[in-house]
Order: sequence, then structure tokens, then C-alpha cells
Amino acid sequence: SAVISQKPSRDICQRGTSLTIQCQVDSQVTMMFWYRQQPGQSLTLIATANQGSEATYESGFVIDKFPISRPNLTFSTLTVSNMSPEDSSIYLCSVEARLLTGGSEQFFGPGTRLTVL
Amino acid sequence: ELKVEQNPLFLSMQEGKNYTIYCNYSTTSDRLYWYRQDPGKSLESLFVLLSNGAVKQEGRLMASLDTKARLSTLHITAAVHDLSATYFCAVDGSGWTGTASKLTFGTGTRLQVTL
Repeated sequence: SAVISQKPSRDICQRGTSLTIQCQVDSQVTMMFWYRQQPGQSLTLIATANQGSEATYESGFVIDKFPISRPNLTFSTLTVSNMSPEDSSIYLCSVEARLLTGGSEQFFGPGTRLTVL
Repeated sequence: ELKVEQNPLFLSMQEGKNYTIYCNYSTTSDRLYWYRQDPGKSLESLFVLLSNGAVKQEGRLMASLDTKARLSTLHITAAVHDLSATYFCAVDGSGWTGTASKLTFGTGTRLQVTL
């Protein structure tokens, strides 16, 4: 399994500002994923972050709004830029980790709850 | 585009009753996950289903996968209050090529078990 931590756990921000969310994993992983969960909704994949290359964004998400860094195999950041109230969501990072029993599983961090005023 | 539908969206059931949550998906996939989310918390992995006909059970929960019908079910047996949570299915849309998973989530089923 993988143990994932995120900082901050929650924040309240003003419109027009930016927030950087950190994700730390206790083991080296090839890819990390960033998801958004809007209030009362399901999870939507924002982007896939591969160490040493540009992140791959899903439809509806762009690098200028959600720049991602992946400096090494255990760490990634997601920045929410020029925030508006519509960005109020929980942001979760996840990784795929190999299991001792074989196969793999996707694990999620505790999430960052963002409120934009 | 992969679409994942769950039903029902909301389920209120009495303790001791049985019920099934359904998860339908639109394109071929051989890997499906079930997660549980408690209010204000992150996702807890319940099951990973990897092949057609796969069935896994943990306590009062049993999950199955029919890849030909593109359907997974999560069956709850003799529900207890502690099972109250939101349950999500998620389908691996990246293709079973050994690459890391890109998950498409269902809408979620909010389960409320009443005494």
C-alpha cells in the first residue's frame, strides 16, 4: 500500500489569489493523479503527473489554471490559480501502488478542502 | 468517452435488510474499484475487481463484476448503521496495458442505514 499526505488539509482563500497544494507519498511511484470533488459531487480527474515530464490534463482542465509540478518520485504540487468561488472543492491526489499479493491498487490522499470567498 | 453510472443515487434502508448498488460503464474495461467515503473524509478502497466473473466479499459487502454486461454490483447483506456512507465505483479507463490507472468515477450512492 501507499501512505499519502497532503498539505494544507483545508484553506479559505480570497477570490483572485492562488493556492498550492502539496502531496507527499511514502514510496516512489511513477505517476501521481490529481482529482477534484465539487460539493456533493463525484470525483473528476484533473491531470496525471509523471516525474520528469509535463503533466497530462483532462478535457476541461488547463495548465494555466492548474499548474502541476512533479520534481521527484514521491512528491507533487497542484496550484489552483486565480481562484473563484467555483473552485471551491476537495482536491485529492492519488497514486497507484503495487500490492504484495500481486496486482495494483489506487490509493487516495486525505484531500484538501478549499473554500473560495 | 468512458461514462460510469451508478444507481440508486440515494438509498435509505433499515438495519438488517439487504440491498444492491449497481454500476454500469460504457466501454470495455477489466478493472473496477469500489470505494467508500465518509462525510468530510477521503476515499477508502473496498474492492478491486480485475476480471470477468470476479467476486469479492468483505464482511457484509460483496462486489461482483460482469465485463460482458459492463456491470458491477455491490451487495449489502443485513445492513448495519456503520455502513452509512457514500459508495463510489470507479472504472479504469486507461486500458489494461500495464500503465497506471486513470479512473472515471460513478456518481456515488449515498447510503443511509436507519435503526
